Amino acid sequence: SYVLTQPPSVSVAPGKTATITCGGNHIGTKSVHWYQQKPGQAPVLVVHDDSDRPSGIPERFSGSNSGNTATLTIRRVEAGDEADYYCQVWDTSIDPGAVFGTGTKVTVL
Amino acid sequence: QVQLVQSGAEVKKPGASVKISCKASGYTFSNYYMHWVRQAPGQSLEWMGIINPSGDSTSYAQKFQGRVTMTRDTSTSTVYMELSSLRSEDTAVYYCGRDIPGEKYSYYFDYWGQGTLVTVSS
Repeated sequence: SYVLTQPPSVSVAPGKTATITCGGNHIGTKSVHWYQQKPGQAPVLVVHDDSDRPSGIPERFSGSNSGNTATLTIRRVEAGDEADYYCQVWDTSIDPGAVFGTGTKVTVL
Repeated sequence: QVQLVQSGAEVKKPGASVKISCKASGYTFSNYYMHWVRQAPGQSLEWMGIINPSGDSTSYAQKFQGRVTMTRDTSTSTVYMELSSLRSEDTAVYYCGRDIPGEKYSYYFDYWGQGTLVTVSS
């Protein structure tokens, strides 16, 4: 089955930029979606279809996808951005379904 | 506003079954497929399957085939997920998530339930 690999953790100072990668074989040919999850809460969609933001999500959140790596970028990081972030694609192989990345814990210093 | 409200926490013994509900409101229930996703303690998210609330068709991840059943009740705008033959590894928070078709034959989840903790312990 399809595998998505993320770095376990990213640390960033307030006001700086956090970059979270999501690696997968030819992931650039798929649509990538990103979720933010705070402790004890359900995931929240922050980016869909590589780079589109749902209404209500700040412009500070942006995404890109090419080759074997998709990226979620959080600019001007705030304390409230501290959370786990998961990438997701839809696998159309022999066992179709949603595939999630391993998750990245973003810590705001 | 769209809301997905799930049933409360459950404690089950190994070998038992659990049935979780997800009641939808704020939109036309039959117009959106619904997924079930689970998250074991400290782990990532794991997709279990999808149900079409309009026609009751389902598709399950191979890992759960034979153990999971997803159903719906259109009269109450509720979907259900039943998992049988529970084992300790099924201890997790279970979420329902509303489906949105994306680009490149993709699907994602725009709204999630609050989650239901299922604990499997003897």
